[in-house]
Amino acid sequence: DAGVIQSPRHEVTEMGQEVTLRCKPISGHDYLFWYRQTMMRGLELLIYFNNNVPIDDSGMPEDRFSAKMPNASFSTLKIQPSEPRDSAVYFCASSLGDRVNIQYFGAGTRLSVL
Amino acid sequence: AQSVTQPDIHITVSEGASLELRCNYSYGATPYLFWYVQSPGQGLQLLLKYFSGDTLVQGIKGFEAEFKRSQSSFNLRKPSVHWSDAAEYFCAVATSASKIIFGSGTRLSIRP
Repeated sequence: DAGVIQSPRHEVTEMGQEVTLRCKPISGHDYLFWYRQTMMRGLELLIYFNNNVPIDDSGMPEDRFSAKMPNASFSTLKIQPSEPRDSAVYFCASSLGDRVNIQYFGAGTRLSVL
Repeated sequence: AQSVTQPDIHITVSEGASLELRCNYSYGATPYLFWYVQSPGQGLQLLLKYFSGDTLVQGIKGFEAEFKRSQSSFNLRKPSVHWSDAAEYFCAVATSASKIIFGSGTRLSIRP
């Protein structure tokens, strides 16, 4: 398996623009997680899905952030409008239901908002 | 509240020397504990996990960790480090079936 695939790897945008990050989980995994990593706050869970349904979005910082999972093989994290403080590395991870705690991470998307 | 503390922000060890990275957790029930490694520009990779049973767990790349309930610790060890072990290491605790809390990480540098 190719592992968790995230795109793009790097994104540079200007403040106020919409940003969409993409994730393809490992085939067969039924849990998908979005994390944000910053120097100040470390690795934070933003939201996670089970069988394409959002289960816990309590980590989503504000209404500018939204996440969807239209099918088992694709998820998006959208920021609209983006702000400089959103600059971070965003990771997607997936796991298999019977071992939900073993999460497999993608390589991340480094977002810079100017 | 559940938390994970990694007291060492940065550690430098000589190649071939032994390594111990510290991790303390706060969690009321029996914890599920993990160590992940992150190489520069990469995602996190699971090194090892503790769910139950033997408190000394073996992982990949020659790493091991010991769960000590009395000390609320889950320290990571390796008897002899290699230059390729230079990375950031994260300890984590699962607070429920799906949510994981990560520590702030320890950056490991290897001295030639």
